[in-house]
Amino acid sequence: AQSVTQLDSQVPVFEEAPVELRCNYSSSVSVYLFWYVQYPNQGLQLLLKYLSGSTLVESINGFEAEFNKSQTSFHLRKPSVHISDTAEYFCAVSDVNFNKFYFGSGTKLNVKP
Amino acid sequence: DTAVSQTPKYLVTQMGNDKSIKCEQNLGHDTMYWYKQDSKKFLKIMFSYNNKELIINETVPNRFSPKSPDKAHLNLHINSLELGDSAVYFCASSPAIRTSSYNEQFFGPGTRLTVL
Repeated sequence: AQSVTQLDSQVPVFEEAPVELRCNYSSSVSVYLFWYVQYPNQGLQLLLKYLSGSTLVESINGFEAEFNKSQTSFHLRKPSVHISDTAEYFCAVSDVNFNKFYFGSGTKLNVKP
Repeated sequence: DTAVSQTPKYLVTQMGNDKSIKCEQNLGHDTMYWYKQDSKKFLKIMFSYNNKELIINETVPNRFSPKSPDKAHLNLHINSLELGDSAVYFCASSPAIRTSSYNEQFFGPGTRLTVL
């Protein structure tokens, strides 16, 4: 079975500052990794994913995440955040057969002006 | 043209009642899921159906019974509601399971269930 740990439940940051949201996973098999974002009172939306290939993946709104197999991590970064990035971010892992998704407990990103 | 829709959006009910939450997807996906998100935002899968067949059934009280009349619908029926059932329930769908193709889960807006 897989599991996901998001070490930070809340991350406050000022606008235009860089941010890193941490995600670590454990698994005995090969995995796919995902970051989802949940804006207030909405469902989850896929932000980015790692399935194979380049270990650095990017989203259209400036976020990036790097798959690090040796450290079993998939941290999410953005060099300069906006107020509109305020949301809950969930890291998720799935086995390569997509049998199950396991979500982390979420990190609330609070961007202050 | 909502991709994954859920009804109702809010549901407030008394302990002991029976209630249902409906989910529909118009994406042509084969696989649908139900997740429970508790007050601490922890998201846990409850069930998954692939082409109307149950393929994932996590440790969930048997008061919860999913029903899939067709592959576009996955409803969640809950009997004898308890206080601990209060949560946000999310429906999701994905193109297929056990394929090598890209497999994103699309989530509905959620149903906030409050049991009094």
